[in-house]
Amino acid sequence: DGGITQSPKYLFRKEGQNVTLSCEQNLNHDAMYWYRQDPGQGLRLIYYSQIVNDFQKGDIAEGYSVSREKKESFPLTVTSAQKNPTAFYLCATEGQDYEQYFGPGTRLTVT
Amino acid sequence: GDSVTQMEGPVTLSEEAFLTINCTYTATGYPSLFWYVQYPGEGLQLLLKATKADDKGSNKGFEATYRKETTSFHLEKGSVQVSDSAVYFCALKIEKTGANNLFFGTGTRLTVIP
Repeated sequence: DGGITQSPKYLFRKEGQNVTLSCEQNLNHDAMYWYRQDPGQGLRLIYYSQIVNDFQKGDIAEGYSVSREKKESFPLTVTSAQKNPTAFYLCATEGQDYEQYFGPGTRLTVT
Repeated sequence: GDSVTQMEGPVTLSEEAFLTINCTYTATGYPSLFWYVQYPGEGLQLLLKATKADDKGSNKGFEATYRKETTSFHLEKGSVQVSDSAVYFCALKIEKTGANNLFFGTGTRLTVIP
C-alpha cells in the first residue's frame, strides 16, 4: 500500500526535552515537507527537502531540525529551543504534478 | 508576492444546500491551483486541481474553475452532505527551481447540519 506514515499519532513530552517525529514514505517522491498546524489555523512550513542530503528552512524553522539521509525518510526533531511546540505536525511529499500527499499527522503535546 | 486569500469561515449549511468557498490568488508566474480537504484529526487530502487557465477540476461533486482573468479558484458543490463537514484549503504552486513556492490559504471550516 503506497503512502506516508507518521508515528506516533499522539506524543507527550515534558518541557525541555527534544523529541523526534517520524515520517516515512514509499511513494518514491523526491520532495518532502514538514508543516505545523495550530488550532483553527492554516499550515505553516517548517522545513522541506527536494532531494536526499539536502533540505531548506521554511517560514518557521527556528527550534526545529531535520535530516534527509534516505529518500524514504524525513524525520523532524523538535528541540527545547522551540518556544511553543504543542501543535499538530504534518508531513507531506510532492508528486509530479505538484500535488501534496499528506501523512495522518502527529499531535505533540508538551507540558 | 505570491499568496492565496481564502474565504473566512466557519460556514454552516443545511444538507442539500449549495456551497461556494471563495479563493483568490496573487502569483508572479503561472500557478497550479489546488483544493485540499481535512477531516477531523487527519492529514489533508487532495480534493481537486487545475494546472492552467480555464481548466475545471472536479471530484466527489465538487468543482472549481481556474479563472485567470479574476485570479480565482472558487470551490462549489451543488448539494452538500453531512459527510462533507471538514476544513477546506485552497493552495497554489508556482514552478520555480531552487525554491519552495507552495502557498496554502488559511482554511475554511464547513459544517453541514442534517
